[in-house]
Amino acid sequence: DAKTTQPTSMDCAEGRAANLPCNHSTISGNEYVYWYRQIHSQGPQYIIHGLKNNETNEMASLIITEDRKSSTLILPHATLRDTAVYYCIVRDLTSGTYKYIFGTGTRLKVLA
Amino acid sequence: NAGVMQNPRHLVRRRGQEARLRCSPMKGHSHVYWYRQLPEEGLKFMVYLQKENIIDESGMPKERFSAEFPKEGPSILRIQQVVRGDSAAYFCASSPPGYRDRDSYEQYFGPGTRLTVT
Repeated sequence: DAKTTQPTSMDCAEGRAANLPCNHSTISGNEYVYWYRQIHSQGPQYIIHGLKNNETNEMASLIITEDRKSSTLILPHATLRDTAVYYCIVRDLTSGTYKYIFGTGTRLKVLA
Repeated sequence: NAGVMQNPRHLVRRRGQEARLRCSPMKGHSHVYWYRQLPEEGLKFMVYLQKENIIDESGMPKERFSAEFPKEGPSILRIQQVVRGDSAAYFCASSPPGYRDRDSYEQYFGPGTRLTVT
């Protein structure tokens, strides 16, 4: 089962920041949080990942709460091309295989 | 630097036939993962392989499904005697070998193979 819960869908106005929340209350101390997105039916695209500290790259920012039980992905200036399903993933380390366990994700719709 | 390549992109098989899905990882990557995505659902892990070894096949159905990643050539996901329920998108992902904390490596996904069983 997925270790994360996300809202099913969200809308965001074009040019505004999109803030996508994720709960991962059972995360272990050494588990990273990853974010991917899937545009239409393409392969998932890596966005960002983090362990404890906030992270930023050219695509997005990741804010992780101090207790690490939740995080927020921020797309600073959403465009129509950011319309996609966004997956928050906590990697499964129990079997040592580092597989991803996907949840159902958040369907983000960017509105013109 | 080519990404993960999968072929064919679309595959149609009749019930009872065999399906072979191929995945070429990114250059320098020696770890391959296969995931399956049913319509309107998230991706489900199937199997994790390194060169010539299956490391974790806990997500593979017990029958009809097999995977390999030979020393030379692409990784192959093989489905024997396909049934309608096998219709799905199959994604392959790769990651580099671990010289540092394995957990921090992201996986890079291919475009997927869409299997339709008629």
